[in-house]
Amino acid sequence: DGGITQSPKYLFRKEGQNVTLSCEQNLNHDAMYWYRQDPGQGLRLIYYSQIVNDFQKGDIAEGYSVSREKKESFPLTVTSAQKNPTAFYLCASSYPRDAYGYTFGSGTRLTVV
Amino acid sequence: AQSVTQLGSHVSVSEGALVLLRCNYSSSVPPYLFWYVQYPNQGLQLLLKYTSAATLVKGINGFEAEFKKSETSFHLTKPSAHMSDAAEYFCAVSGRGSQGNLIFGKGTKLSVKP
Repeated sequence: DGGITQSPKYLFRKEGQNVTLSCEQNLNHDAMYWYRQDPGQGLRLIYYSQIVNDFQKGDIAEGYSVSREKKESFPLTVTSAQKNPTAFYLCASSYPRDAYGYTFGSGTRLTVV
Repeated sequence: AQSVTQLGSHVSVSEGALVLLRCNYSSSVPPYLFWYVQYPNQGLQLLLKYTSAATLVKGINGFEAEFKKSETSFHLTKPSAHMSDAAEYFCAVSGRGSQGNLIFGKGTKLSVKP
């Protein structure tokens, strides 16, 4: 079955470390997205990519980086410059068509220890 | 430009009661509208979507929503709440020319009392 897989489910980071969250999809979707979710704040867009080798900053890109070397993969790196990285991170994918909607992964919960 | 407003960050109903979650949108082009559900520690799952066909849209788990252009609304309803409906619900909008990018509301957390 096609789907979108995020790993790991839970991740712990020490202060000053970079960590990378994985997002892989086999839906043949062109577009992929990363969101951050904090209690009471809804979904905030970090980065998105409409095609391979191209990506754009979202509303809260500072302290994060991404790459899109393959259509199937869109990893997110949380750098040490992100001062408050503890959150739930969601990856999504879609066709870049107006009425299609997104398919979401099951999320990664990142905690700074 | 597009935006979504979900009225009420928390809604509580009794089991068996009507569920009504409110969503109002703003869009300068004909909108496409979506409702997603999120259970704790999980991703979002599509409940239903409006894509300019029928204005009353039926989704999974007995939910439905009605597109009302005059009121710029897309409220989500279910006639009888079940304990398993307790979750957070997100309304989202896109429009022609948006290349599929969705704008999400801030979410409404639904609690169901026994």
